[in-house]
Amino acid sequence: SQTIHQWPATLVQPVGSPLSLECTVEGTSNPNLYWYRQAAGRGLQLLFYSVGIGQISSEVPQNLSASRPQDRQFILSSKKLLLSDSGFYLCAWSISSNQPQHFGDGTRLSIL
Amino acid sequence: AQTVTQSQPEMSVQEAETVTLSCTYDTSESDYYLFWYKQPPSRQMILVIRQEAYKQQNATENRFSVNFQKAAKSFSLKISDSQLGDAAMYFCAYSGGLDNNNDMRFGAGTRLTVKP
Repeated sequence: SQTIHQWPATLVQPVGSPLSLECTVEGTSNPNLYWYRQAAGRGLQLLFYSVGIGQISSEVPQNLSASRPQDRQFILSSKKLLLSDSGFYLCAWSISSNQPQHFGDGTRLSIL
Repeated sequence: AQTVTQSQPEMSVQEAETVTLSCTYDTSESDYYLFWYKQPPSRQMILVIRQEAYKQQNATENRFSVNFQKAAKSFSLKISDSQLGDAAMYFCAYSGGLDNNNDMRFGAGTRLTVKP
């Protein structure tokens, strides 16, 4: 069966520090991969998605970036974090577009 | 652009009773997919139910069912025989029908409380 792993679960970082959140999927090949951000008490905002290795689409301009170095690995990064980057980050995968997305457990990011 | 609206920020239901969560959406597409996701306090997003727009029959998953009204662009979720474990945030989501459409739109969510 397919599983998705996302880490770390929680992270506290100072303003201006770099960020690297990692997400890996097991049990499937060539999945679509997604990064979402969820502000407190709000819905999900799509940040990035990828349909293949090295293919990244950005939905929202920001100081975050994403990379897909391997088929089942999706990384969310920043060179310098802002206070506004605080939130709950969710990684997800799907077999293809329009199919249900399956989510990781999320990372709670707090910026001090 | 497609939008998803959940007009009920909070709902409550008595255990064993039935509750309906509302969702409306705006789209010009004829083929699309709709989803309900549940997010318990653990924050994990769990797929509850899925509906294809080309299917007239309402989807059902055990105690969860939807009332899909395509003309009205409405997609409500009914939870029957509510259980304490149903307490969570519920998100309605829309995904377009094009093969290259990776943009799933989520509503703002409805927080469901289940009273014992």
